[in-house]
Amino acid sequence: GENVEQHPSTLSVQEGDSAVIKCTYSDSASNYFPWYKQELGKRPQLIIDIRSNVGEKKDQRIAVTLNKTAKHFSLHITETQPEDSAVYFCAASKRRGSTLGRLYFGRGTQLTVWP
Amino acid sequence: NAGVTQTPKFQVLKTGQSMTLQCAQDMNHEYMSWYRQDPGMGLRLIHYSVGAGITDQGEVPNGYNVSRSTTEDFPLRLLSAAPSQTSVYFCASSPFLAGVEDNEQFFGPGTRLTVL
Repeated sequence: GENVEQHPSTLSVQEGDSAVIKCTYSDSASNYFPWYKQELGKRPQLIIDIRSNVGEKKDQRIAVTLNKTAKHFSLHITETQPEDSAVYFCAASKRRGSTLGRLYFGRGTQLTVWP
Repeated sequence: NAGVTQTPKFQVLKTGQSMTLQCAQDMNHEYMSWYRQDPGMGLRLIHYSVGAGITDQGEVPNGYNVSRSTTEDFPLRLLSAAPSQTSVYFCASSPFLAGVEDNEQFFGPGTRLTVL
């Protein structure tokens, strides 16, 4: 099955700096890569996703890049703000095959943005 | 449109007790799943379902049962609770049909379970 590794497990940055979280996956058939943000005591919520036919996607201060050859994808947050402090999860999924729809999650990154 | 709802929000059980965590969604999603979240372990899949009458095991299914009699409901049963099942449980749903572009999973608010 799929194995998703996520690094780092904790990340501290100063407000205004950039933050980068990296994930690798093992199954070359995976073709959908979402990122979820979970604030303390809340449910995970989708913040951005990318499909395997796209190399990069941006939404305001967040961007995701995908390298299919190397099987890794990254989340980039620019101009970080204290409200970006949360746990971020990457995930991988296949849109075809026997495990269609199943998300495989990384273990999460606790991002802390210091004012 | 309530999205994904879970009950109860908090529960304390004694070892050996049984209980059912309830999950319902009103978005007509085919795919529903249960995760447990433990510190440093991320979200681990317990069981999932791709439609009414169809369920399958995830990576940590032992000690849990599920059934899916309707599209809307996907209850999780703990048969004989153990302290190792102390965790936060999330239910999630998403569209499943082939060709659907948006594969976003919507999570419920979670149930915090403590087993003494």
